[in-house]
Amino acid sequence: GAVVSQHPSRVICKSGTSVKIECRSLDFQATTMFWYRQFPKQSLMLMATSNEGSKATYEQGVEKDKFLINHASLTLSTLTVTSAHPEDSSFYICSASGSGVTEAFFGQGTRLTVV
Amino acid sequence: GQNIDQPTEMTATEGAIVQINCTYQTSGFNGLFWYQQHAGEAPTFLSYNVLDGLEEKGRFSSFLSRSKGYSYLLLKELQMKDSASYLCAVMDSNYQLIWGAGTKLIIKP
Repeated sequence: GAVVSQHPSRVICKSGTSVKIECRSLDFQATTMFWYRQFPKQSLMLMATSNEGSKATYEQGVEKDKFLINHASLTLSTLTVTSAHPEDSSFYICSASGSGVTEAFFGQGTRLTVV
Repeated sequence: GQNIDQPTEMTATEGAIVQINCTYQTSGFNGLFWYQQHAGEAPTFLSYNVLDGLEEKGRFSSFLSRSKGYSYLLLKELQMKDSASYLCAVMDSNYQLIWGAGTKLIIKP
């Protein structure tokens, strides 16, 4: 099946700093990428949907200035958590789908801890 | 509104069979997915149903009834490694995935 690589898998950062998470589709062109957040024992919460070359569409309640998403190519999307705070600590997961692809393939996820 | 319902937790015995149900109400329908998620890991794809009926893949089978807004995931010959959360997701008319809260499956020896 298709492979989506997410990096880093774990990151610890200081409060007030920014963290960038990368999501790459390795063997297909990802026309659409999804960014999710997941709190312990809860389901995935969609944060935003990004289509290559256009601005991301954010879900209600998600601050677009805090969670910057860039999808500049068909193989790479990035999520930057700006001015991170401890409440931003969570598991962030990307998924990607392309034309003709019937499922969304997930990255490995990134465990962010803000101290 | 859009809604996906599945049980919060289920317990089953190693070697047995378990059925995890999912009911949905969404704006349009472009397929239903089942994913398995182990704690601390990203979900992994199990099955995709877009037409009514049963799809079998080894020990796992998934059933869909679009008229009833209902699906189930059937796991046979349960193994300890099947202990995980199982997520039901429906792709709506905008091709967005609507997720259920997941069913935590506990396998006992």
